[in-house]
Amino acid sequence: AQSVTQLGSHVSVSEGALVLLRCNYSSSVPPYLFWYVQYPNQGLQLLLKYTSAATLVKGINGFEAEFKKSETSFHLTKPSAHMSDAAEYFCAVTNRKGSTLGRLYFGRGTQLTVWP
Amino acid sequence: DTAVSQTPKYLVTQMGNDKSIKCEQNLGHDTMYWYKQDSKKFLKIMFSYNNKELIINETVPNRFSPKSPDKAHLNLHINSLELGDSAVYFCASSQAGTSGGVYEQFFGPGTRLTVL
Repeated sequence: AQSVTQLGSHVSVSEGALVLLRCNYSSSVPPYLFWYVQYPNQGLQLLLKYTSAATLVKGINGFEAEFKKSETSFHLTKPSAHMSDAAEYFCAVTNRKGSTLGRLYFGRGTQLTVWP
Repeated sequence: DTAVSQTPKYLVTQMGNDKSIKCEQNLGHDTMYWYKQDSKKFLKIMFSYNNKELIINETVPNRFSPKSPDKAHLNLHINSLELGDSAVYFCASSQAGTSGGVYEQFFGPGTRLTVL
C-alpha cells in the first residue's frame, strides 16, 4: 500500500524567502510522485511530477522537487516566495505504471502563508 | 476551453434529498474519477471509471452511485443525503498509460455540497 505524509500542516514564510514543503512517502514498489496546488475555492492544479526519470524535477511557477529514494522523500522547494504562492499544497503518490487505475494517495496538505 | 467542468458549483439541500453532480471533460481522456474533500481538506478517492467501466469503488455508502454515459462524462448521484455528506466533491480525468508511464490527473473546480 502507498501513503504520503506531509510534515507541517501550516508553513509561513516571508515574501522572498525560501519555501520548503516536506513530503515523505511509503511504497512497496517504485513510486510515482506528484505535487498539486489548490488555490482558494478552486480545483487542484499539477505543479510537477516524478516518474522515474531525473530525480530533480522542475515544475511551474518556479517550484522544484527532488526525489530521494534513500530518504523516501519528495520535498517541494522554491527559492523565493511570492505572495501569489499562498495556497494549499498536496503531495500524492501512485505506483501503477501502465495501469489504468491511476489511484492517487494524497497527503493531508500543507497550507502555505506568505507574509509581505 | 474548460478542461474538466462540474455542475453545479454550489449545492445546498436538505437532509434526505437526492441530488446529482455532473462532470464533463473535453481532454479526450479515458479515465475519470470522483474525489471527496472534507472540511480538513483531506482528499479521498471515491470512484474511478475507465472507458465507462467502474475500476475503483472505495468504501463509500451505496447511497452514492456514479454513472458514466460515455468516456467524457461521469456523474455522481447521491440518495438520502446526510449531514456528513457535506464536502467538496472533485471530478478528475486522466489518460491511462498503456505502454507504461503515469499520466497526471486534471481536476475540475469542485462542487461544494452543503446538507442542512
